[in-house]
Amino acid sequence: EAQVTQNPRYLITVTGKKLTVTCSQNMNHEYMSWYRQDPGLGLRQIYYSMNVEVTDKGDVPEGYKVSRKEKRNFPLILESPSPNQTSLYFCASRRGAFNYGYTFGSGTRLTVV
Amino acid sequence: GENVEQHPSTLSVQEGDSAVIKCTYSDSASNYFPWYKQELGKRPQLIIDIRSNVGEKKDQRIAVTLNKTAKHFSLHITETQPEDSAVYFCAVLRGGGSEKLVFGKGTKLTVNP
Repeated sequence: EAQVTQNPRYLITVTGKKLTVTCSQNMNHEYMSWYRQDPGLGLRQIYYSMNVEVTDKGDVPEGYKVSRKEKRNFPLILESPSPNQTSLYFCASRRGAFNYGYTFGSGTRLTVV
Repeated sequence: GENVEQHPSTLSVQEGDSAVIKCTYSDSASNYFPWYKQELGKRPQLIIDIRSNVGEKKDQRIAVTLNKTAKHFSLHITETQPEDSAVYFCAVLRGGGSEKLVFGKGTKLTVNP
């Protein structure tokens, strides 16, 4: 089944403890992206990648890192999480330049206390 | 950067009526305009999209219109049904080497039986 898989689905952590949210897609998509969703603010793009080893900042990159060492994986790293990073996170992917529709993962609900 | 305004924030209609959601954007170089539907507790799903060289696109009960001169685009849902109840997001992609996808803040549509 074609899908974008995120793990974990739910995570509660403490301030300052490094964490990684994994994202993997099995559709051979070139483009991948991370979003956070907060009530009243919609979806805001954190980082995106247009291919292996090609990443760039979205609108809210502060406090996050990403890597794209292989095509299928695009992990989101929080080096020192803070309570304002409590949010619902979505990973998404799409095929390429002329196929614009993103497929979203199921989401990761992160709580930082 | 791109600014996307979406209206209304909430919309309540009777089953069978039409619903219209509007979005405006600021960057005239933007060239791709998708709409996503997000049911409660689920991931966003692409329902329809339009590119800048097209003025209107229809898919059964859903249609999107684009006015590039005025920099606005709209989602039209006809013959609404209770299962259309969800949050709808518009988005704008600049393209041209950028993968920055900016979302509106969403419209909560309620279809009353």
